[in-house]
Amino acid sequence: EDQVTQSPEALRLQEGESSSLNCSYTVSGLRGLFWYRQDPGKGPEFLFTLYSAGEEKEKERLKATLTKKESFLHITAPKPEDSATYLCAVQLGGATNKLIFGTGTLLAVQP
Amino acid sequence: NAGVTQTPKFRVLKTGQSMTLLCAQDMNHEYMYWYRQDPGMGLRLIHYSVGEGTTAKGEVPDGYNVSRLKKQNFLLGLESAAPSQTSVYFCASSYPPNTEAFFGQGTRLTVV
Repeated sequence: EDQVTQSPEALRLQEGESSSLNCSYTVSGLRGLFWYRQDPGKGPEFLFTLYSAGEEKEKERLKATLTKKESFLHITAPKPEDSATYLCAVQLGGATNKLIFGTGTLLAVQP
Repeated sequence: NAGVTQTPKFRVLKTGQSMTLLCAQDMNHEYMYWYRQDPGMGLRLIHYSVGEGTTAKGEVPDGYNVSRLKKQNFLLGLESAAPSQTSVYFCASSYPPNTEAFFGQGTRLTVV
C-alpha cells in the first residue's frame, strides 16, 4: 500500500535553532515529491518539487533533499514567521497524477 | 490572478441536507482534485478529474459526487449530508505532468 509518513508530528524550536523534518515513503512508483507549507485556516502553499534521489532545492531558510526512501526539509536559523504545518506529498506514476499526503509536521518557532 | 477559488468558505448543514461546493480555477489547468482534511488524517483525495467531462474516484469517494462540465470548474456534491462529512474541503488544480498542485483556501463544513 502506498504510504507517506512524516515525523515528528510537532516540533518546537527557538529562533535560530536549526533542525530537520522527515518524510518517508513507500510507493509503487514515484513521479515526484512535493513539500507544502500550510498556515492555519489556509490552503497548502507549494514550496518544492524533487524528482530524483540526490536532488536538492533551496529557498531562503529552507532546503529540501531526497533519497530513495525519504526526504528531509532542513530549516536553518528559523524565524517565528516560519511557524506553520509542513506537508509532504508523493505523486504517483500513471495517468492520475495523484498526490498522497503525509499528516504533516506542526512547526512552532519561538522568539 | 485569482488562482483557485472555493465557494462557500463556511457552511453548516443539518443531517440529510444536500449542498454543492464550487471550485473555480483561472490557470487553464487540466487536472482538478477535491480533498478533505481531518485532524490526524492528513489530506485525503475524494474525487479528481483529468480533463473537462471526466471524473474519477479517489481514496474516500463514498457519499460524494462530482461534475466537471467546464474546464475551469469542478463541483463537489453531497446528496445527503452526514456528521462524518464534517471536515475542511480543499480543491486543487495542476497542469501535468510532474507539476505542483495549487490549492484553494478551503471550505469548512459542519454537519449537525
